[in-house]
Amino acid sequence: EDQVTQSPEALRLQEGESSSLNCSYTVSGLRGLFWYRQDPGKGPEFLFTLYSAGEEKEKERLKATLTKKESFLHITAPKPEDSATYLCAVLNSGNTPLVFGKGTRLSVIA
Amino acid sequence: EPEVTQTPSHQVTQMGQEVILRCVPISNHLYFYWYRQILGQKVEFLVSFYNNEISEKSEIFDDQFSVERPDGSNFTLKIRSTKLEDSAMYFCASSTSGGYNEQFFGPGTRLTVL
Repeated sequence: EDQVTQSPEALRLQEGESSSLNCSYTVSGLRGLFWYRQDPGKGPEFLFTLYSAGEEKEKERLKATLTKKESFLHITAPKPEDSATYLCAVLNSGNTPLVFGKGTRLSVIA
Repeated sequence: EPEVTQTPSHQVTQMGQEVILRCVPISNHLYFYWYRQILGQKVEFLVSFYNNEISEKSEIFDDQFSVERPDGSNFTLKIRSTKLEDSAMYFCASSTSGGYNEQFFGPGTRLTVL
């Protein structure tokens, strides 16, 4: 059973059209939830770490929020350069390793 | 701006051969990681390394895999006897603090096992 589920798989937005990406997780004890951006053929780029429900982090047009069951990555007035795959990863308590979701492929059209 | 570098960018090998993937983490970083991404699939954690020893490893990281920091700058991943299913993109990452926070990833090495 997947511990991390991202939706939608793909999202196409017009430039300036705000939206949210979802990351749902099922872990017994969350040690941290991470958001990354990945451009084609490149390594992930770290965006945010969230540790507890209610926490929010912002960076330019991106804002990440966390509840007890899911995290949202809100994109405000996106630009074409925001086009990428956005990955969510969860670190559970205990000896389980970092688990990634499959990602959301975002396309922003000018 | 400091960056993580990886060599080679593409490695082709025959099944059963040993390969060593090399990474140069950012110089003041203390925590090092390897991940892999099979084409079209999720990024998968392999191993984390701190203070010259493995901190955590996944089920993927079996006896065929090993990591080493042979000097003050390099961090290597060795696969002893490659299998077809080891074909993937391998990413190295490093960070100043633990807990997987603020990792900087390298550009990856594409490993193709024939």
